[in-house]
Amino acid sequence: QVDLRESGPGLVRPSETLFLTCDVSSGSISSYSWNWIRQSRDKGLEWIGYVYHHAGPNYNPSFRSRVTISLDTPKRHFSLEVKSVTSADTAIYYCARGSPGIAASDVWGRGTVVVVSS
Amino acid sequence: EIVMTQSPATVSLSPGETATLSCRASQSVGSDYLSWFQHKPGQSPRLLIFGASTRASGISERFNGRGSGTDFTLIINTLQPEDSAVYYCQQSYDLPFTFGPGTKVDIK
Repeated sequence: QVDLRESGPGLVRPSETLFLTCDVSSGSISSYSWNWIRQSRDKGLEWIGYVYHHAGPNYNPSFRSRVTISLDTPKRHFSLEVKSVTSADTAIYYCARGSPGIAASDVWGRGTVVVVSS
Repeated sequence: EIVMTQSPATVSLSPGETATLSCRASQSVGSDYLSWFQHKPGQSPRLLIFGASTRASGISERFNGRGSGTDFTLIINTLQPEDSAVYYCQQSYDLPFTFGPGTKVDIK
């Protein structure tokens, strides 16, 4: 059973950069997409973007150019970078595996709470 | 982007009853690109249904999905106390992937 685990700072100051990592315990990296999704009080569940081993990332346009998702296959983890954070970025951040065969995210991490505050 | 709406926002039912949750997309998402998730406090969302009607691995037969195009339904038969959660639909037909606002199922 694949396990995903997010890690990163729980507190980030406004205007700084948030950086999170998701470790993938086992299984194929190349056969799936690797997604970041967040849940905030105001916007519910919001898809941030994904990355594939064989293709470049795709991002939610609502994040404009603030977001970067990258995949490190040998280290079996993928990362999320969000620049210039504000209080609106306060949320629970989840990483999730996207399974192309079923067009759905079938494995999720436990989530990590990020608070943006000075 | 495709906007997903769900109704009702909250439903309160007794054990043994049937919950019928609706999800509507602002444009067609076919039938292969609609998923349902169950989300309990403090846990990660759990995939229940993909492709509008296919139960994910290990999901009880009490959970059934149907629909295509823009209108979808999740039916939860014989409600159990552990079914208390927020249920979200999500489309993966077009980028950005989008979720509905959720339906909270409360078991009396």
